[in-house]
Amino acid sequence: QQPVQSPQAVILREGEDAVINCSSSKALYSVHWYRQKHGEAPVFLMILLKGGEQKGHEKISASFNEKKQQSSLYLTASQLSYSGTYFCGTENLNNDMRFGAGTRLTVKP
Amino acid sequence: NAGVTQTPKFQVLKTGQSMTLQCAQDMNHEYMSWYRQDPGMGLRLIHYSVGAGITDQGEVPNGYNVSRSTTEDFPLRLLSAAPSQTSVYFCATWSAGFFQGQFFGPGTRLTVL
Repeated sequence: QQPVQSPQAVILREGEDAVINCSSSKALYSVHWYRQKHGEAPVFLMILLKGGEQKGHEKISASFNEKKQQSSLYLTASQLSYSGTYFCGTENLNNDMRFGAGTRLTVKP
Repeated sequence: NAGVTQTPKFQVLKTGQSMTLQCAQDMNHEYMSWYRQDPGMGLRLIHYSVGAGITDQGEVPNGYNVSRSTTEDFPLRLLSAAPSQTSVYFCATWSAGFFQGQFFGPGTRLTVL
């Protein structure tokens, strides 16, 4: 079953912050976050393993709440280069990966 | 290193035709997978492999076959193409031990008429 992402779309001004959420109804082994630019392949941002740890990547970080089977991606002080579609991918113990429908992020000057 | 390569980049088929999408990697990753992405939608897992000789079905396997005879190659076969298989197909690889996420190939854009 695919994870549910919210919101579907976000429009920001440069320097603003955003949060993208991902939730699953099934027990997870890991959560992945990817960004895809139009016409390109998805690019890996970070992975979170069960245990609730928070990872960071530049001004982008994420958390994983194992009890709630939820992950959130935090984008702070957004830049124009952050524009794209963000996908969360949830992996179970059988290495079966399911992706959410994506969140389209637009950062304007 | 080429990373993950996919051929062809574009393909047009007629309904009922068969073809093979190629995926090759030089990253020595044990895991490989195939996804399809339809307009405005996320990636849906078709088949995946955890090593040479081992494959398993994903979310949408019907109409597709895979095999994994080597670590490097993971071809996807469309048995009898249908318009519903019009999509962009991505191959991805990853290594379980390094938590680096999946590396995606550039994709194959397939149109079935």
